[in-house]
Amino acid sequence: EAGVVQSPRYKIIEKKQPVAFWCNPISGHNTLYWYLQNLGQGPELLIRYENEEAVDDSQLPKDRFSAERLKGVDSTLKIQPAELGDSAVYLCASSLNQNTEAFFGQGTRLTVV
Amino acid sequence: TQLLEQSPQFLSIQEGENLTVYCNSSSVFSSLQWYRQEPGEGPVLLVTVVTGGEVKKLKRLTFQFGDARKDSSLHITAAQPGDTGLYLCAGEADSWGKLQFGAGTQVVVTP
Repeated sequence: EAGVVQSPRYKIIEKKQPVAFWCNPISGHNTLYWYLQNLGQGPELLIRYENEEAVDDSQLPKDRFSAERLKGVDSTLKIQPAELGDSAVYLCASSLNQNTEAFFGQGTRLTVV
Repeated sequence: TQLLEQSPQFLSIQEGENLTVYCNSSSVFSSLQWYRQEPGEGPVLLVTVVTGGEVKKLKRLTFQFGDARKDSSLHITAAQPGDTGLYLCAGEADSWGKLQFGAGTQVVVTP
């Protein structure tokens, strides 16, 4: 069975440009997470979905970041406009529910120049 | 300020040696998890501990949860190059509302 699939794996953009990341969770997983991981740091939660509802987006910088999970399956995370400080790895994870093991994708490494 | 402190930040050892990494917090964990992350991959869950004083073993890895549920350790016996990776602890505490990760310990095992 396929794990969590993220695309693209790598993205290089100029500052002030928009960028979008896509995540396909494991089939049947109701909970989906987006994390940000800076170099030398652990992942930090940006947003958590239960089905199509965002139940925890307190750490999402809403002035430039947005996310959606249409039909409670795939999800996209968007940054517009990107800043130099947004360079990081963006990880998606999914789990059956919030109390079960989360499985992570390989992440998207974003470089803003 | 990190809610979870991991030490050391970096550890380089020879194959066959033992190592221990630590995870500490001033908060009481309701549960604590250990992950391993390899370059270019997402973290993979190794173990979850929930009971103070709990010890879990996974082949050559031994995980210990402190009696007060504020700290944990991961001990690797006879390390192998395949143990190389970033070891992350992550915990939930009542006052945090969500799973928080430490900064990780980078372990390098050379042949």
